[in-house]
Amino acid sequence: GEDVEQSLFLSVREGDSSVINCTYTDSSSTYLYWYKQEPGAGLQLLTYIFSNMDMKQDQRLTVLLNKKDKHLSLRIADTQTGDSAIYFCADRWGGGNKLTFGTGTQLKVEL
Amino acid sequence: DGGITQSPKYLFRKEGQNVTLSCEQNLNHDAMYWYRQDPGQGLRLIYYSQIVNDFQKGDIAEGYSVSREKKESFPLTVTSAQKNPTAFYLCASSDFQGGGRHNEQFFGPGTRLTVL
Repeated sequence: GEDVEQSLFLSVREGDSSVINCTYTDSSSTYLYWYKQEPGAGLQLLTYIFSNMDMKQDQRLTVLLNKKDKHLSLRIADTQTGDSAIYFCADRWGGGNKLTFGTGTQLKVEL
Repeated sequence: DGGITQSPKYLFRKEGQNVTLSCEQNLNHDAMYWYRQDPGQGLRLIYYSQIVNDFQKGDIAEGYSVSREKKESFPLTVTSAQKNPTAFYLCASSDFQGGGRHNEQFFGPGTRLTVL
């Protein structure tokens, strides 16, 4: 089956950029997603990228995809305290409807 | 307002009891999903349903059961056979789209189950 890996923690200062990384194993991935989870809540979709794209930008968010290395990253510019949350990458692969989620990265933004 | 509701938000259960978690959506989505979240393990798929009266096991279905009698409802029963049921349970729904089209899953607020 598919494996999606993320580092567990990231700490940044307010105003700096945050980069959250994700690696996946299946080469049949079609879409890759970034979700945000605030404490005690469900997940909300931040952005996604189709597998034939290298980059996608959406306001403060930049997604980079390196298909050769099966590496996905999410860059948050000018990180704010409200960005403190758990960030999950997810992979849709194999032509089906299911997603495989990473372990999640806890982002802590310090003043 | 369209969305997904889960109830209750917190649930306590004694060992040996079955318990049912509710999930309702009014987004007119065909597909629904149940995930379990444990610290440091991300989300793991328990069961999913792509259409009414049909469902499939996910990666960790043992000790759980589901039904899909109505399009808008997908209840999850945690049975006494589930060895370690204390976790945060998330329900999601999406359009059912094959052929490589974008498929956003919308999530409910979750139910935290604690076994006493």
